Amino acid sequence: QSALTQPPSASGSPGQSVTISCTGTSSDVGDYNYVSWYQQHPGKAPKLMIYEVSKRPSGVPDRFSGSKSGNTASLTVSGLQAEDEADYYCSSYAAGSNNYVFGTGTKVTVL
Amino acid sequence: QVQLQESGPGLVKPSETLFLTCSVSGGSISTYYWNWIRQPLGKGLEWIGYIHYSGSTNYNPSLKSRVTISVDTSKNQFSLKLTSVTAADTAVYYCAREGAPFDIWGQGTMVTVSS
Repeated sequence: QSALTQPPSASGSPGQSVTISCTGTSSDVGDYNYVSWYQQHPGKAPKLMIYEVSKRPSGVPDRFSGSKSGNTASLTVSGLQAEDEADYYCSSYAAGSNNYVFGTGTKVTVL
Repeated sequence: QVQLQESGPGLVKPSETLFLTCSVSGGSISTYYWNWIRQPLGKGLEWIGYIHYSGSTNYNPSLKSRVTISVDTSKNQFSLKLTSVTAADTAVYYCAREGAPFDIWGQGTMVTVSS
């Protein structure tokens, strides 16, 4: 199984929006609505931000939103804040193989 | 609330076996699936595999021949065994609960493979 493809970096000024893509295949991202997104600050464990494509766990600001079209999922961070500067990883379940696969990761910089 | 804590040796010699344990507190291991995920320094996340409290498992095909995940419900723990390690197995190893999925993570433990 290959890693999902994400852009290496993305950036925006405070208050702006940034969107990160996550491209997989019809066997993972395009197969089921089991895409999740994780935020990771340096030296810390990843934190779940979005699950099942667009659902937010309790406590995650509504500035974070997710969507999916075909084999590509997206995470949008609106109203960028300094604390949003982090690495972001997508993940998808691949039902055919009962495996999970992660994205290559995107470093978000708040200018 | 549920918390996870990894434990095990921080240094393993090449060709030897890596063994880590994840202790679950604040809740029972007898629900959900429980995962191991690793991250080489400066690199991305890699899913290793999961176990259900019943003992059913599934592993990343790229590691399947070297990985065993087991569970001890009496101790509320699950464990990772990785055989024939090389420098490529040097990474931070995380345990995580498959809630949504991976809704709860341990803090991670660094394992270095070196002689």
